[in-house]
Amino acid sequence: DTEVTQTPKHLVMGMTNKKSLKCEQHMGHRAMYWYKQKAKKPPELMFVYSYEKLSINESVPSRFSPECPNSSLLNLHLHALQPEDSALYLCASSQDHREVYEQYFGPGTRLTVT
Amino acid sequence: AQSVSQHNHHVILSEAASLELGCNYSYGGTVNLFWYVQYPGQHLQLLLKYFSGDPLVKGIKGFEAEFIKSKFSFNLRKPSVQWSDTAEYFCAVTPAAGNKLTFGGGTRVLVKP
Repeated sequence: DTEVTQTPKHLVMGMTNKKSLKCEQHMGHRAMYWYKQKAKKPPELMFVYSYEKLSINESVPSRFSPECPNSSLLNLHLHALQPEDSALYLCASSQDHREVYEQYFGPGTRLTVT
Repeated sequence: AQSVSQHNHHVILSEAASLELGCNYSYGGTVNLFWYVQYPGQHLQLLLKYFSGDPLVKGIKGFEAEFIKSKFSFNLRKPSVQWSDTAEYFCAVTPAAGNKLTFGGGTRVLVKP
């Protein structure tokens, strides 16, 4: 199983809402990633979790809060977002973060902030 | 910090034509190089990767890429494209240690039947 799943597929939220994006993998990978992809732009790294600990935060605003409850799950909690945060949010996983391994990407959650 | 540039934003070609997409990177050390593809409505998939060894790398679906260290380039090629190759193609790099991907801007390829 080389699949990374993400829920929901689509999410519309207001600027005062609190919502969460979920990501799951069952490949035994110990590194998980959140990327943001704006329309017609490449994915940009947001966070990296390595062995369930936050390893990299690419200066992401605090209205985005990642969480890694266990080695298979990765959440992204959203609060007080702005319309410019509307984007495709991609989750990825790899065997390890400390070495270079292929990253497997999920289908993404398309977020619209109204 | 590393950066990646892809020269062509859009490429339109006919079936059976040859495809070459340019990718140049900027980084002061050893890098690992990737080409990812995003078919319409689908998730990013790895086409091929270069870590070390033979600079000519073969990937899936008939794609290959050549790493030219002196030119900081990793161009993607396919001798004969099919309509199903219509997709967006991303070049990406990581430093030799660690797994922090930096993507190029992407090239949208449209193959006309």
